[in-house]
Amino acid sequence: EADIYQTPRYLVIGTGKKITLECSQTMGHDKMYWYQQDPGMELHLIHYSYGVNSTEKGDLSSESTVSRIRTEHFPLTLESARPSHTSQYLCASSAGFGDIHENEQFFGPGTRLTVL
Amino acid sequence: GQQVMQIPQYQHVQEGEDFTTYCNSSTTLSNIQWYKQRPGGHPVFLIQLVKSGEVKKQKRLTFQFGEAKKNSSLHITATQTTDVGTYFCVTDSWGKLQFGAGTQVVVTP
Repeated sequence: EADIYQTPRYLVIGTGKKITLECSQTMGHDKMYWYQQDPGMELHLIHYSYGVNSTEKGDLSSESTVSRIRTEHFPLTLESARPSHTSQYLCASSAGFGDIHENEQFFGPGTRLTVL
Repeated sequence: GQQVMQIPQYQHVQEGEDFTTYCNSSTTLSNIQWYKQRPGGHPVFLIQLVKSGEVKKQKRLTFQFGEAKKNSSLHITATQTTDVGTYFCVTDSWGKLQFGAGTQVVVTP
């Protein structure tokens, strides 16, 4: 069973608030990812990291920011939430480069964010 | 850049029937992965294909990688209600994984 956790699972918040979505994994994975997914739609990569102090923007432009100070922790922050940010946010991790399982991503349960 | 097309977008299947979903790329792929996401759940890794023409089976699921490594297919035989969900193919572009749009499968008892 994959050990990757996301909190909160559900969040309803007002416009303009600052929020941080937490993601932690206990598998020692180097790579971590954040995806945004609307119901019934495809996953869009918004941020990824290949290791500590490494962060990159994904294919979908996002107003969120991420940090990777520790291997196991990859939080996502929205400085000022807006209704357009309403979506599901999925965190994932995978082993590092050269590992035979480097492309096998383990996903957390997701955070369903609603901005009123 | 690399583009991945998945067809069909939706698949309605009678329980017991077979179906196939396809993933096509505009460029040659180094590898391809398949994931399944149940309704309300998160994607779960199914398999990775690496070699040209590779075929792998998992019970009723058969995965195939094209000879030119530009397309892949997932064939499910004797569909069951537990097969409901969205199946995504995922391609590798310079170490960054890109999800296809997915095939949403609905099974009618």
